[in-house]
Amino acid sequence: EIVLTQSPGTLSLSPGERATLSCRASQSVSGSYLAWYQQRPGQTPRLLIYGASNRATGIPDRFSGSGSGTDFTLTISRLEPEDFAVYYCQQYGSSPRTFGQGTKVEIK
Amino acid sequence: EVQLVESGGGLVQPGGSLRLSCSASGLTFSTSAMVWVRQAPGKGLQYVSLITSNGGSTYYADSVKGRFTISRDNSKNTLYLQMSSLGAEDTAVYYCVRSYGYYDYWGQGTLVTVSS
Repeated sequence: EIVLTQSPGTLSLSPGERATLSCRASQSVSGSYLAWYQQRPGQTPRLLIYGASNRATGIPDRFSGSGSGTDFTLTISRLEPEDFAVYYCQQYGSSPRTFGQGTKVEIK
Repeated sequence: EVQLVESGGGLVQPGGSLRLSCSASGLTFSTSAMVWVRQAPGKGLQYVSLITSNGGSTYYADSVKGRFTISRDNSKNTLYLQMSSLGAEDTAVYYCVRSYGYYDYWGQGTLVTVSS
């Protein structure tokens, strides 16, 4: 099973700042089959990025994903108030599909 | 608009059983692989089970294998999760999700609470 470790656990930033979230896999993620999800408080998770760098439908271009192999990054270029949430990475290159433990982006 | 609507959650005693349902609309259900994902209170996301589009193959997380059964009825656009031998560790919101490997459409979830 591939273990995904997200860092940091919590990121304290101000609106307008840049956020950089990391997701490290215990072994290489096949085909860069890595996705990112956003979960706002009290809401359902929402797909942001798939295939490591492809934005899902309707996702603003301030969200970008990068990486391959074992190291992946989600970048939010300028934080908007609605971006303060928990972010999860997920690998779907091998079974079982696994999630990271999440990174909380909070208002500083 | 895609809608996935879960039902069947509730309070159940340890060792008990429960069946969750998920009614799908706005997508071609019969060609969609589907999964159940759960989230314990205040915790992260955990994959539970997957079923292929025709129901021919099913997969389970080790934590539920032998206790949970995923199934579907494509004529009714409905996904199911039969859960048995429930324990406190199964307390969670259970989400019905469409899978392309990544999970693009999520239901609102149904809460399962295992407690005496």
